[in-house]
Amino acid sequence: DAGVIQSPRHEVTEMGQEVTLRCKLISGHNSLFWYRQTMMRGLELLIYFNNNVPIDDSGMPEDRFSAKMPNASFSTLKIQPSEPRDSAVYFCAIPKGGGPGNEQFFGPGTRLTVL
Amino acid sequence: GDSVTQMEGPVTLSEEAFLTINCTYTATGYPSLFWYVQYPGEGLQLLLKATKADDKGSNKGFEATYRKETTSFHLEKGSVQVSDSAVYFCALSPLSYNTDKLIFGTGTRLQVFP
Repeated sequence: DAGVIQSPRHEVTEMGQEVTLRCKLISGHNSLFWYRQTMMRGLELLIYFNNNVPIDDSGMPEDRFSAKMPNASFSTLKIQPSEPRDSAVYFCAIPKGGGPGNEQFFGPGTRLTVL
Repeated sequence: GDSVTQMEGPVTLSEEAFLTINCTYTATGYPSLFWYVQYPGEGLQLLLKATKADDKGSNKGFEATYRKETTSFHLEKGSVQVSDSAVYFCALSPLSYNTDKLIFGTGTRLQVFP
């Protein structure tokens, strides 16, 4: 969806480096999701923000992963230090409207490769 | 807890063949149900949705009917095209009013050959 912009689109880094993935929301939104997609594990929910506060981070793999949503238009997902098993496509998504029963709009994703 | 089960892929078809991708769910009450499509190198896009029992969602020639009695939401298309090659995800929206979360199936890859 044009309203969800992710950067960078591709990131190649070496093991041990810090990686920051960014998600920009054109219209702003109070809720945001970060997902990770791999061939082995499919689509996994990492963390869910509501009113810019992390509501559910049970999907965050370990302490190396952290996420912030400082305002309604921006969020970051940071991995420090990165490891080869973190290689995946990372998506952010926002719900359409409020409350249950609504679909989500996904960004185009960031393909991360950790060597 | 709530969950979605969809058929394993890949599904391989010739152009103009009939497509069915099975999806069943486990949930409390009557969740909303969705099919998403992911084309190569892109994010997930909503394909169709149904919000109550017996509703039929449709888009781009694809259809799925919300079957409460069988807790199913199978995706169908009468005549597939090469351009339909993608990964298809079934998903549900739980009834909890504290969350906008979606629960996704594992995805089914469709490959259509000329």
